[in-house]
Amino acid sequence: GQQVMQIPQYQHVQEGEDFTTYCNSSTTLSNIQWYKQRPGGHPVFLIQLVKSGEVKKQKRLTFQFGEAKKNSSLHITATQTTDVGTYFCAGKRDSNYQLIWGAGTKLIIKP
Amino acid sequence: ETGVTQTPRHLVMGMTNKKSLKCEQHLGHNAMYWYKQSAKKPLELMFVYSLEERVENNSVPSRFSPECPNSSHLFLHLHTLQPEDSALYLCASSRLTGGPLGQFFGPGTRLTVL
Repeated sequence: GQQVMQIPQYQHVQEGEDFTTYCNSSTTLSNIQWYKQRPGGHPVFLIQLVKSGEVKKQKRLTFQFGEAKKNSSLHITATQTTDVGTYFCAGKRDSNYQLIWGAGTKLIIKP
Repeated sequence: ETGVTQTPRHLVMGMTNKKSLKCEQHLGHNAMYWYKQSAKKPLELMFVYSLEERVENNSVPSRFSPECPNSSHLFLHLHTLQPEDSALYLCASSRLTGGPLGQFFGPGTRLTVL
């Protein structure tokens, strides 16, 4: 069935290092959305990408949508403790109300 | 954030109880969703309401019964639950057209079934 694979499951980084999470869909998406869930919190919408090859930036966060609209990535430059949490991608097909969620990548800052 | 509120925040119930979860959105959205979030699993979509009509039901057991009386309110009625139903239940809302279609989540109800 329809799937969005997200890797890695966890990433441990030193504060100041970069972080990247990748999502790959088995089918073409109409858009892809990214969410952040802090520990003990709920998912918070970060951004939506719609166009093939689109790149968007929010401060230290860079979001990309692949040319084929099947893959996406989130890159965080110089991580800070406030970046800790789980980052989810969620893809949408044209014909459906549903989002197809990735399993999330948990960002852990090493002490 | 107070755009989407959920009550109660925590609920402990026995397998024979009946309870309801409530969600209210103040964002003027016209779609509402119930999700189940269990540890180490992806978010599971349970139900979608669009303009107060149920448009998606992802093979959810009948012990979960949703109700959407208007575009701002969503309920999840629970009865004869099982321990494996213990999870965080999240409500979300979104627009259907016009601009970013991101979903806005409430804080969730942490449900424990004994």
